[in-house]
Amino acid sequence: DADVTQTPRNRITKTGKRIMLECSQTKGHDRMYWYRQDPGLGLRLIYYSFDVKDINKGEISDGYSVSRQAQAKFSLSLESAIPNQTALYFCATSDSVAGGRTFSYNEQFFGPGTRLTVL
Amino acid sequence: GEDVEQSLFLSVREGDSSVINCTYTDSSSTYLYWYKQEPGAGLQLLTYIFSNMDMKQDQRLTVLLNKKDKHLSLRIADTQTGDSAIYFCAETPTGSQGNLIFGKGTKLSVKP
Repeated sequence: DADVTQTPRNRITKTGKRIMLECSQTKGHDRMYWYRQDPGLGLRLIYYSFDVKDINKGEISDGYSVSRQAQAKFSLSLESAIPNQTALYFCATSDSVAGGRTFSYNEQFFGPGTRLTVL
Repeated sequence: GEDVEQSLFLSVREGDSSVINCTYTDSSSTYLYWYKQEPGAGLQLLTYIFSNMDMKQDQRLTVLLNKKDKHLSLRIADTQTGDSAIYFCAETPTGSQGNLIFGKGTKLSVKP
């Protein structure tokens, strides 16, 4: 079984609808992330969570919200979807960064992605 | 600049060497990474280099680091069609709370 899973894998929705993307992990990692990928723009960080009670905005959090229901689960919501949120969304996890929050090795493990289309 | 820079496309013939270049932003980034994204999949760590090294070799992969110029490169020897993918350079700059900052990715196409 995959260590990081995302549901759904594909979703088509309409402008104004509320959408939730879910991520689960079995790696026992504290840190979880949501990214979006757009052609030519690479990966941009939406939200990240250091643990269940620590959630932080990333580079492009406007229009998104998250919920860390448990160590293993991190959900991304689009409260009112708009067409420019059409993208590929990835969840990722990593172990706690040793030695504090800088200067440390941070391998991230990615889910397979959710392709979201907003019409 | 403020972004991790990579060229967007590279095309090579099977059997040739591929060199993917990256310019990162923070000379104090302790680790620098190369991630690979195969078609239809998420990213996977391919290799990394610690900042006190200037070269790391792992089978067909060679990573070169020039800290003075903040330049990172990935060389793939004897490139195969299975190496066709998008390759992302990433760093963890000071103040990023240990988060990775990714380049935009280089799409490598390998022609038979």
